[in-house]
Amino acid sequence: SAVISQKPSRDICQRGTSLTIQCQVDSQVTMMFWYRQQPGQSLTLIATANQGSEATYESGFVIDKFPISRPNLTFSTLTVSNMSPEDSSIYLCSVEKRDRLNYEQYFGPGTRLTVT
Amino acid sequence: GESVGLHLPTLSVQEGDNSIINCAYSNSASDYFIWYKQESGKGPQFIIDIRSNMDKRQGQRVTVLLNKTVKHLSLQIAATQPGDSAVYFCAETVMSGTYKYIFGTGTRLKVLA
Repeated sequence: SAVISQKPSRDICQRGTSLTIQCQVDSQVTMMFWYRQQPGQSLTLIATANQGSEATYESGFVIDKFPISRPNLTFSTLTVSNMSPEDSSIYLCSVEKRDRLNYEQYFGPGTRLTVT
Repeated sequence: GESVGLHLPTLSVQEGDNSIINCAYSNSASDYFIWYKQESGKGPQFIIDIRSNMDKRQGQRVTVLLNKTVKHLSLQIAATQPGDSAVYFCAETVMSGTYKYIFGTGTRLKVLA
């Protein structure tokens, strides 16, 4: 299994500012993912962040708006830049852990962002 | 604050009855599928998974059925309990440049006492 913590758990920010969300895992993992979950909706993948390489962004998400760092195998950050009210959402990081037969994805508790 | 699943389809089930939650997936090349449970204020939690070379897998009180012909996945929960109330998501794994998980719309399960 994997235990994931995120900071902050929630924040209220003014439009035009930026917020960096931290994700810490209790063990080393190769693959980390960042998702956005808008109120009442499913999870949308923002990007995949593998250590040692640039993050891979999904359609509709760009590095200038959501820069990601992955300095080591247990930590990642997602920055939401130049925020607008449309960025209000829950942001979740997740990791994938694999053994010989199985692989599972574990999620952090999420960061609830409100932009005013 | 607003809870997860406020606008999602809702399935209401009497406590003790069986629940069936359905999901349609999009990519015929997907080879691995997972069901997640998400309680309010928490991240999704793994429930059960199934590979594309199987059509049924059972866990404790849960069963996942996979129909690749119509790209349909279902989650059956036996003897539904109040603690099962949550939002349930299916996810498929896709290799498209990189390996990633694509989540379905989600269903809110409400267990009635």
